[in-house]
Amino acid sequence: EAQVTQNPRYLITVTGKKLTVTCSQNMNHEYMSWYRQDPGLGLRQIYYSMNVEVTDKGDVPEGYKVSRKEKRNFPLILESPSPNQTSLYFCASSPGRGREQYFGPGTRLTVT
Amino acid sequence: QKEVEQNSGPLSVPEGAIASLNCTYSDRGSQSFFWYRQYSGKSPELIMSIYSNGDKEDGRFTAQLNKASQYVSLLIRDSQPSDSATYLCAVPNQAGTALIFGKGTTLSVSS
Repeated sequence: EAQVTQNPRYLITVTGKKLTVTCSQNMNHEYMSWYRQDPGLGLRQIYYSMNVEVTDKGDVPEGYKVSRKEKRNFPLILESPSPNQTSLYFCASSPGRGREQYFGPGTRLTVT
Repeated sequence: QKEVEQNSGPLSVPEGAIASLNCTYSDRGSQSFFWYRQYSGKSPELIMSIYSNGDKEDGRFTAQLNKASQYVSLLIRDSQPSDSATYLCAVPNQAGTALIFGKGTTLSVSS
């Protein structure tokens, strides 16, 4: 089954404790992306990757890091999480620039 | 920055009726348009893509695109309670590296 997976699905952590959210896709897509969704603000892109070792900032990259060492994986790293990063996070993959995106199930993160 | 506008709703329709959801976009050069459905607490699910003026039908869903007026709509025929969700309209940004989403329209179908 073609899909995007994310782990963990739910995470509660404390301020400053580094964490990683994993994302993997099995559709051989070159393009992957991370979004966060907040009430009243909608979906906003954090980072994207056009291919292995090629990443760039989206609209809200502050406080986040990403890496793309393999085509299928695109982890999101929060090195020192803060309460304003409490949000619902989605990983997505796409067959190409300007094309439709397929979303993972989401990770609900709470930072206290 | 491109903008995508949607009426937040809620839009309430009875079971079996046609639900009409609308979206306007700011960039006249936009070429691709997507409709996603999102259930509460779940991820956005792609339901329609449309690239050219006119109508595109897929089952109970019809997407309509009017580039001259810069709007795209989604019609849901024979609405079911399971269609109750938030519907998101999206267009790619100018670089094609992200989707710009509207805030979504909440649809409620009553049985």
